Amino acid sequence: EVQLVESGGDLVQPGRSLRLSCTASGFTSGDYGMSWFRQAPGKGLEWVGFIRSKTYSGTTEYAASVKGIFTISRDDSKSIAYLQMNSLKTEDTGVYYCARDLLIGGRYHGLDVWGQGTTVTVSS
Amino acid sequence: DIQLTQSPSFLSASVGDRVTITCRASQGISTYLAWYQQKPGKAPKLLIYAASTLQSGVPSRFSGSGSGTEFTLTVSSLQPEDFATYYCQQLNSYPRTFGQGTKVEIK
Repeated sequence: EVQLVESGGDLVQPGRSLRLSCTASGFTSGDYGMSWFRQAPGKGLEWVGFIRSKTYSGTTEYAASVKGIFTISRDDSKSIAYLQMNSLKTEDTGVYYCARDLLIGGRYHGLDVWGQGTTVTVSS
Repeated sequence: DIQLTQSPSFLSASVGDRVTITCRASQGISTYLAWYQQKPGKAPKLLIYAASTLQSGVPSRFSGSGSGTEFTLTVSSLQPEDFATYYCQQLNSYPRTFGQGTKVEIK
């Protein structure tokens, strides 16, 4: 079964760091771009960032709100994508999802596999 | 950044109704638009990609159309399991923005 499982969500104090993991199974995750999203309580979806597959350079893109603070990386030998979050703020509270990018004809067209989400709460 | 505006934000409908949701982009995005369905406490589910291509396993009552700046998601005959929140997302450029969502509730 094709599956993504996020882990690492926790209650942390403002200013602290947290690393989320997204573990893939049922497919060769190294062949895919992987994205991170978040959803604040009662709010809509927000794109956080994306990492390309090594075939497509393995480079990253970020939302302006997290650029320079959050870092996405991947360890294809373990089928894991990471979201390192530093200098956390209360507004970073929410459910964080990872998802697999649907690549067709060299362009990305959507996110076809999603994890169940992991909850991050930033509070003193 | 490309802004996506969905309308309506809230929709009350009955089982069997035909429902249409619109997503307007602040600039042209060709057909790099996806639609998702999200139920409370669950991850989003991809319904439509490339504006009009039905994702595998999604019922044929869902359809998408449009290009450039105006897009629509249509449910031809609303079923009980379709009551959810729907989001559009553009993948033309970064950041990959979402619409604010359309909540479809039972009338």
